[in-house]
Amino acid sequence: DAGVIQSPRHEVTEMGQEVTLRCKPISGHNSLFWYRQTMMRGLELLIYFNNNVPIDDSGMPEDRFSAKMPNASFSTLKIQPSEPRDSAVYFCASRPRQIQETQYFGPGTRLLVL
Amino acid sequence: GIQVEQSPPDLILQEGANSTLRCNFSDSVNNLQWFHQNPWGQLINLFYIPSGTKQNGRLSATTVATERYSLLYISSSQTTDSGVYFCAAYNTDKLIFGTGTRLQVFP
Repeated sequence: DAGVIQSPRHEVTEMGQEVTLRCKPISGHNSLFWYRQTMMRGLELLIYFNNNVPIDDSGMPEDRFSAKMPNASFSTLKIQPSEPRDSAVYFCASRPRQIQETQYFGPGTRLLVL
Repeated sequence: GIQVEQSPPDLILQEGANSTLRCNFSDSVNNLQWFHQNPWGQLINLFYIPSGTKQNGRLSATTVATERYSLLYISSSQTTDSGVYFCAAYNTDKLIFGTGTRLQVFP
């Protein structure tokens, strides 16, 4: 299995631009999670989906952030407009259908907003 | 909400030494997971350990849920063990991460 796939791996953009991060979960996994990692706040959950349905988005920092999961094999996290304080590493993780609580993380997208 | 605390925050070892990392959690949790974040930033699953003890090579972990702590043991450390070790406690469906232990292993 290829594991969780994220793209792009690195993104540099200017303040005000739209940023779209992509994630392909492990095939057969029914839950998907988006996390953000910063020096100040550590690893924090932004949003998660079960069976493509958003369950808890209480970690999404503000309305500039949105996430979608149109099907079981693809999810996006969008930031519009981006700000320098959004600079962070964004991780996607998926969880197996059979094992409800083990999460497997993708390699992350390192975002820098200038 | 659940608080997850890890100690020590930093650890420096010489290759071959053993170490114990601790994770305390503030409330009842469903389960607990240990991760290693390598110097390239990748988060790697080490253990999913709601209770009891598990071993994988030079690493082992023990969780005592009734006393709200978990321990990660690293024996005969190697330079490739360097990185940050996180424990994360589950609150229903949500993983709450500790602040990590940064381990540096020198040859």
